[in-house]
Amino acid sequence: KQEVTQIPAALSVPEGENLVLNCSFTDSAIYNLQWFRQDPGKGLTSLLLIQSSQREQTSGRLNASLDKSSGRSTLYIAASQPGDSATYLCATGANSKLTFGKGITLSVRP
Amino acid sequence: EPEVTQTPSHQVTQMGQEVILRCVPISNHLYFYWYRQILGQKVEFLVSFYNNEISEKSEIFDDQFSVERPDGSNFTLKIRSTKLEDSAMYFCASNWEGTDTQYFGPGTRLTVL
Repeated sequence: KQEVTQIPAALSVPEGENLVLNCSFTDSAIYNLQWFRQDPGKGLTSLLLIQSSQREQTSGRLNASLDKSSGRSTLYIAASQPGDSATYLCATGANSKLTFGKGITLSVRP
Repeated sequence: EPEVTQTPSHQVTQMGQEVILRCVPISNHLYFYWYRQILGQKVEFLVSFYNNEISEKSEIFDDQFSVERPDGSNFTLKIRSTKLEDSAMYFCASNWEGTDTQYFGPGTRLTVL
């Protein structure tokens, strides 16, 4: 059974800092890995999806990497802004089902 | 930009009552999902639906749960006899053929008293 872990549970950084959010998973037989953003009381917004054959994806200040063999993914956020404050979840995809980590709550201090 | 919508945003019900949560997926999407998130816990997969039938379901999705696509636009989750532990945020998601990116709705917060 797939287990997805995100550590730490919370992170606070000053504005402008580059940061890396980590995600690990136990079963490397995945089709893809997706990063989401969740604002308090809101739904999930897809940020990036990496197919199992890919190593990374980029969108603006975000870059996500995937290392299937080691069961790891990272989300890199460049030049963080207060508006980046949210919970970031990673999820592995197999068939149609997503398995989520618990998320990392990021706070970017002005 | 098209988005997944869900109604109601908050539903309060008494234990043992039936509830129906409604979702309108993005119009050209063909794959539909329900997930739930108990407060403070992970988002959990419940069920996936394609071509008018369930593709996959989790162990959470027992006989108390059912899904339906009653018309060309709505996708519903029914809980026949709610339990206290069904209290959670329920998310609907969808995607179209040829992409794995799932688009999520804003969620329905279900509170069972």
